[in-house]
Amino acid sequence: GQNIDQPTEMTATEGAIVQINCTYQTSGFNGLFWYQQHAGEAPTFLSYNVLDGLEEKGRFSSFLSRSKGYSYLLLKELQMKDSASYLCAVLDSNYQLIWGAGTKLIIKP
Amino acid sequence: GAVVSQHPSWVICKSGTSVKIECRSLDFQATTMFWYRQFPKQSLMLMATSNEGSKATYEQGVEKDKFLINHASLTLSTLTVTSAHPEDSSFYICSARDRTSGDLETQYFGPGTRLLVL
Repeated sequence: GQNIDQPTEMTATEGAIVQINCTYQTSGFNGLFWYQQHAGEAPTFLSYNVLDGLEEKGRFSSFLSRSKGYSYLLLKELQMKDSASYLCAVLDSNYQLIWGAGTKLIIKP
Repeated sequence: GAVVSQHPSWVICKSGTSVKIECRSLDFQATTMFWYRQFPKQSLMLMATSNEGSKATYEQGVEKDKFLINHASLTLSTLTVTSAHPEDSSFYICSARDRTSGDLETQYFGPGTRLLVL
């Protein structure tokens, strides 16, 4: 079966750094996405990794290791507005997105 | 950038009635649209994949006679929840792929429709 695991909830302090991990087992792999979702809103795109390594985009970075079936999203200089759910999703061999359950990130002042 | 709209954004209806949700790609042609459902504190669940001009492909456990999907044009797909019941109350999100780009990886998401069935 297909499976994506990520922590249910994480708490971090404003201004700090947080790493959200995601492990996956899917039928085929055509890339891994990270999305941010605020309550009551649709997901918004953060990053896409298809090759191993680190992709940096401002305060957010995403890492992928295909051999380990592992990715993480790194958020730096946390702001209160970063409080949201972060969804890991893998594009499988049929180009369908397989979604993780999401990690709720709580930022404390 | 590619924009996807959904209408309505909010709908409240009585049990037993039918509700239609529209998903439009505003500035691109979408050969494929996806319909998702999300219950509180859960992730997105793919309900069906809709290809323009053909019948939708439903995921296991999704009743095709209850959730009618029509994708009659390259810019519009509709989801009709027939004889809605309180357990159908959920957040329904559509997404679309841009045909012209040949990009199979990117899905553009609509803002979602929150359905409450009383």
